[in-house]
Amino acid sequence: GQNIDQPTEMTATEGAIVQINCTYQTSGFNGLFWYQQHAGEAPTFLSYNVLDGLEEKGRFSSFLSRSKGYSYLLLKELQMKDSASYLCAVRVAYPGGATNKLIFGTGTLLAVQP
Amino acid sequence: DTAVSQTPKYLVTQMGNDKSIKCEQNLGHDTMYWYKQDSKKFLKIMFSYNNKELIINETVPNRFSPKSPDKAHLNLHINSLELGDSAVYFCASSRVPNTEAFFGQGTRLTVV
Repeated sequence: GQNIDQPTEMTATEGAIVQINCTYQTSGFNGLFWYQQHAGEAPTFLSYNVLDGLEEKGRFSSFLSRSKGYSYLLLKELQMKDSASYLCAVRVAYPGGATNKLIFGTGTLLAVQP
Repeated sequence: DTAVSQTPKYLVTQMGNDKSIKCEQNLGHDTMYWYKQDSKKFLKIMFSYNNKELIINETVPNRFSPKSPDKAHLNLHINSLELGDSAVYFCASSRVPNTEAFFGQGTRLTVV
């Protein structure tokens, strides 16, 4: 089976740092994505990890440990506009085909408070 | 210019009707997708086309039929709509399969 777990909701304070965790148990692994989705809007790409370690992109960083089936998204210097859902997605092989597909977690709703 | 545009944004229709959602991307991408996001915000792949060829067809009722007339367009036709089809449907595209994807604004389908 394919299972991706994220906390349902988190709350943090403006200016602080927050870490959103994602654990996965999937048959196969070809990379992990993080997307941001504001309410009523489309998901937008944040980061991609395929090797162990930390990928930094401005205020956002994403970490991957393949052996532990674990990733986190780190948001620094939180701003009110960071209030959104954060979706973790694992790329796995598509059965019977020469391609892959993304399996999304249910997302973590982050509320940033003043 | 909108990179991935889908129409309509809202669609309210009665059970049993047939409806279509259209999607166009102007990014020059080879791959396009249809995703369904349910009321619990769970995003699930339905179909994927690469260079107009269907490469992913998840377990979706055959009432759903995608059509890709060219690489820039991917439409979704739904026959005999059911209450359970109510969801937000997202079109997306990527340069090659399953890399960074750009999503359309979504079509909120409500079946009554």
